[in-house]
Amino acid sequence: EAQVTQNPRYLITVTGKKLTVTCSQNMNHEYMSWYRQDPGLGLRQIYYSMNVEVTDKGDVPEGYKVSRKEKRNFPLILESPSPNQTSLYFCASKLYARSLNQPQHFGDGTRLSIL
Amino acid sequence: GESVGLHLPTLSVQEGDNSIINCAYSNSASDYFIWYKQESGKGPQFIIDIRSNMDKRQGQRVTVLLNKTVKHLSLQIAATQPGDSAVYFCAESSRGKTSYDKVIFGPGTSLSVIP
Repeated sequence: EAQVTQNPRYLITVTGKKLTVTCSQNMNHEYMSWYRQDPGLGLRQIYYSMNVEVTDKGDVPEGYKVSRKEKRNFPLILESPSPNQTSLYFCASKLYARSLNQPQHFGDGTRLSIL
Repeated sequence: GESVGLHLPTLSVQEGDNSIINCAYSNSASDYFIWYKQESGKGPQFIIDIRSNMDKRQGQRVTVLLNKTVKHLSLQIAATQPGDSAVYFCAESSRGKTSYDKVIFGPGTSLSVIP
């Protein structure tokens, strides 16, 4: 089944403790992206990747890192999480990075709570 | 389930009636538009899309209308069913300055279907 898989689905942790949220897609998609979803603000893009080893900042990149060493994986790293990073996070992908007219496929989300 | 928004516009419709969900987009240069459905505890799912050179597109029980003059997008759901209860949001897409695909998501509308 074609899908975008995120892990963990839920995580409660403390300020300053490094964490990684994994994202994997099995559709051979070029483009991958991370979003956070907060009440009243909709989805905001954190980082995106056009292909392996090509990443760029989205609208809210502060406090996050990403890597794209393999086409299928796009982990989101919080080196020193803070409470304002408490949010619902989504990973998404689409087949061609340079094609405008394609919807993205989303994972089921990761709920992070930073205490 | 996951809470995707505390201040979302809400729409309640009777089962079997038609639903109309509206979206105002912001960028007159946007040339691709997508509607997503997000159920509780799930990631956004693609419903239907439309390019800027069209003003109407129909799918199975859904129709999207695009009015570029007033920058307005609507999603019509025919014969609404309980399974249609979800948050619906639109997304607009255009060529960004430094990227190939700048996507802006709306905050969403919560649809409740009354049996």
